[in-house]
Amino acid sequence: GNSVTQMEGPVTLSEEAFLTINCTYTATGYPSLFWYVQYPGEGLQLLLKATKADDKGSNKGFEATYRKETTSFHLEKGSVQVSDSAVYFCALSSSASKIIFGSGTRLSIRP
Amino acid sequence: AAGVIQSPRHLIKEKRETATLKCYPIPRHDTVYWYQQGPGQDPQFLISFYEKMQSDKGSIPDRFSAQQFSDYHSELNMSSLELGDSALYFCASSLDLSGANVLTFGAGSRLTVL
Repeated sequence: GNSVTQMEGPVTLSEEAFLTINCTYTATGYPSLFWYVQYPGEGLQLLLKATKADDKGSNKGFEATYRKETTSFHLEKGSVQVSDSAVYFCALSSSASKIIFGSGTRLSIRP
Repeated sequence: AAGVIQSPRHLIKEKRETATLKCYPIPRHDTVYWYQQGPGQDPQFLISFYEKMQSDKGSIPDRFSAQQFSDYHSELNMSSLELGDSALYFCASSLDLSGANVLTFGAGSRLTVL
């Protein structure tokens, strides 16, 4: 079945460091891929998405490229801020009906 | 912009009681999804509805039921509550069932079972 595997956390970085959170997926067909972010005490917010191979999603300085050959959708940001501290979920949707989430990666940024 | 509205935001119940959570999707969104997120866990899909009909079912216990009404709002009914039902319950909505459509999530309803 479809699944998402993402880098385990927690990840702790200093402000302005480079961020990579790895995400790989298993799916039949051509899924859409997403990164959602969950700030403390809040719901899930869409960060970015890509709907086909080689698409790059970007938002708030975060980027992820849909790589079909490696079945990956790694999240990157060149310079993180304290306000980026949150839990990040990689997710896929390959059919009508639902999104499947990865296990989440907690990111903490030190000032 | 209007978002997905969930109520109540917090709910405390005793074991074996019942609880009802409500979800009001974004206007014109006809698809609603329910997810359960335990402490430190990823959201687990429970059930979804499209045009008032169940469209998919995930790991929803038999003690739980849900429906979508004519105004597209949805309710999740939970009976014979157990301690393990304590979780954050998210509702999300989207415009139709296309896999490329983004799900917009509500802020969640936190259920605590004592």
